Amino acid sequence: QVQLQESGPGLVKPSETLSLTCTVYGGSISSSYWSWIRQSPGKGLEWIGYMYYSGSANYNPSLKSRVTISLDTSKTQFSLTLTSVTAADTAVYYCARGGSRWYEGRFYYFFYMDVWGKGTTVTVSS
Amino acid sequence: EIGLTQSPGTLSLSPGERATLSCRASQSVSSSDLAWYQQKPGQAPRLLIYGASNRATGISDRFSGSGSGTDFTLTISRLEPEDLAVYYCQQYGTSPFTFGPGTKVDLK
Repeated sequence: QVQLQESGPGLVKPSETLSLTCTVYGGSISSSYWSWIRQSPGKGLEWIGYMYYSGSANYNPSLKSRVTISLDTSKTQFSLTLTSVTAADTAVYYCARGGSRWYEGRFYYFFYMDVWGKGTTVTVSS
Repeated sequence: EIGLTQSPGTLSLSPGERATLSCRASQSVSSSDLAWYQQKPGQAPRLLIYGASNRATGISDRFSGSGSGTDFTLTISRLEPEDLAVYYCQQYGTSPFTFGPGTKVDLK
């Protein structure tokens, strides 16, 4: 059974870079979409972006200029980097795996999230 | 960007009652690419429904989803105390993928 766990600093100073890692246990990241989502009281759940196992990425336009998601298949990890953070980036950050279905001899991959990490709280403050 | 609205904001029901939650999109959701998640306090969201009407692995058959286009519904047939949570819809057919603001289900 696949499990995801986020890790990284809980406190980041304004204008600095937020870096988080998601470790995948019990499975490979050489398939599926791997996403980051955040949740703050003011904005609810917000999709940040995904990386496909092949290396293609897609980001929310509201964050695109500041976000990078990368995969490390050798470590079964994927990472989030968010630059120039402000107080508005304070949130609980979740990593998640995209869903998949086996149909007629192959897997199809989807953008709904079927496995989530427990989340990590990041506060932006000096 | 496709906006999602959910109603009601809060649903107060008694155990055994039927809960009907609504999710409306600002434009048609392609291929019924709509999911429902349950989130309990202090926990991550959990996938309940994908493709508008398909139950995720291990989800009770008390949960069912329906709808297409811009109007979707999550139904909990017989409410149990463990169902107290916030329920979110998400469209994943058009990037950026978006979530609704949630419906809180609590006990009357």
